[in-house]
Amino acid sequence: GQNIDQPTEMTATEGAIVQINCTYQTSGFNGLFWYQQHAGEAPTFLSYNVLDGLEEKGRFSSFLSRSKGYSYLLLKELQMKDSASYLCAVRPDTKLIFGTGTRLQVFP
Amino acid sequence: GAVVSQHPSRVICKSGTSVKIECRSLDFQATTMFWYRQFPKQSLMLMATSNEGSKATYEQGVEKDKFLINHASLTLSTLTVTSAHPEDSSFYICSASGGGSNTEAFFGQGTRLTVV
Repeated sequence: GQNIDQPTEMTATEGAIVQINCTYQTSGFNGLFWYQQHAGEAPTFLSYNVLDGLEEKGRFSSFLSRSKGYSYLLLKELQMKDSASYLCAVRPDTKLIFGTGTRLQVFP
Repeated sequence: GAVVSQHPSRVICKSGTSVKIECRSLDFQATTMFWYRQFPKQSLMLMATSNEGSKATYEQGVEKDKFLINHASLTLSTLTVTSAHPEDSSFYICSASGGGSNTEAFFGQGTRLTVV
């Protein structure tokens, strides 16, 4: 089976840094994605990792360790608009399997 | 990025009726489309994989006779919820891929289905 775990909820302060972790056990691995989703809307793509290491994209960075089945999404200089759900998704073959999702709330 | 259009965005139907949701890739050919369901405060649950010109592959626990999927062309997949019941009320989202294991999946806007 496929198992992708994330913390359910996190809170942080505006301007701070937050790290959202994701651990996975899947039958195969063809990449890991991070998506942001605001309530009632479709997910929007944030990042993609297929090789070990850190991918940086502006305020957002994503890290992958394939040997540990572990990834994290790092959000810097948090803004109020970053309050959303963050979804880790793994592609074991051609389909995309989503983790449990992390609801992040940013406070002033 | 590529555009995937999903229609309708909201639908309310009576219990026992059927509802069809369309998912179109507007500027690329989608060899594979995926249908997800999302309950409030939960993550996306994959229902089925739709391949153009062949039968859909359903995930374990998803009733294929209740959730009919048709992928008749490279730009259109439809999900029909048959004999809908209140417990089918959910947010349904499609995504489309151009093919290849490292191709990003693009999402439709989602459909909020309410069965009364």
